[in-house]
Amino acid sequence: ETGVTQSPTHLIKTRGQQVTLRCSSQSGHNTVSWYQQALGQGPQFIFQYYREEENGRGNFPPRFSGLQFPNYSSELNVNALELDDSALYLCASALDASTDTQYFGPGTRLTVL
Amino acid sequence: AQTVTQSQPEMSVQEAETVTLSCTYDTSESDYYLFWYKQPPSRQMILVIRQEAYKQQNATENRFSVNFQKAAKSFSLKISDSQLGDAAMYFCARGSQGNLIFGKGTKLSVKP
Repeated sequence: ETGVTQSPTHLIKTRGQQVTLRCSSQSGHNTVSWYQQALGQGPQFIFQYYREEENGRGNFPPRFSGLQFPNYSSELNVNALELDDSALYLCASALDASTDTQYFGPGTRLTVL
Repeated sequence: AQTVTQSQPEMSVQEAETVTLSCTYDTSESDYYLFWYKQPPSRQMILVIRQEAYKQQNATENRFSVNFQKAAKSFSLKISDSQLGDAAMYFCARGSQGNLIFGKGTKLSVKP
């Protein structure tokens, strides 16, 4: 059973730029969720995708968007980066949308200057 | 707002001893899941233990067990025979319609 992987590990961007983060879910997992974890805080839910469609969204603006592909990979896109977007971004996969047990990747550390 | 509260920002335990981490939560749902995740400095969030709210029996995974008090909305984690590798941030989380609501975490230190 392969785990959840994310790329890149670290990323530095400047304010106003756009960024794409990538995630590869565990094989067979139809659901992927993305979380933002600010320094010293618990992760905050951004959104979830189930079978390539958005299936729930947290309190994040529309400049945070995502895609999920049939091959269990997914992307998180953030437009018009702001300094407060600096955080660890975690993706997590689950067997299906009704299964709350999520398995996390190692995260991407995004720094916005 | 439905929240998860971890009232202990930091805890310390002697190697081989037992420590309990506290968690309380708020929910209007009757059926839900509760989790403890461990996040070492490597950043990977690792599932420690899971509890289904409709099950009265407390979950156990080797040295890790929970004390689930549904009426009190309390979900504490007990780590027995603590090991140096247990040192990490521990997050309590509640499942809510497919996403997780996390507490702010407890940093656990293990003294040799």
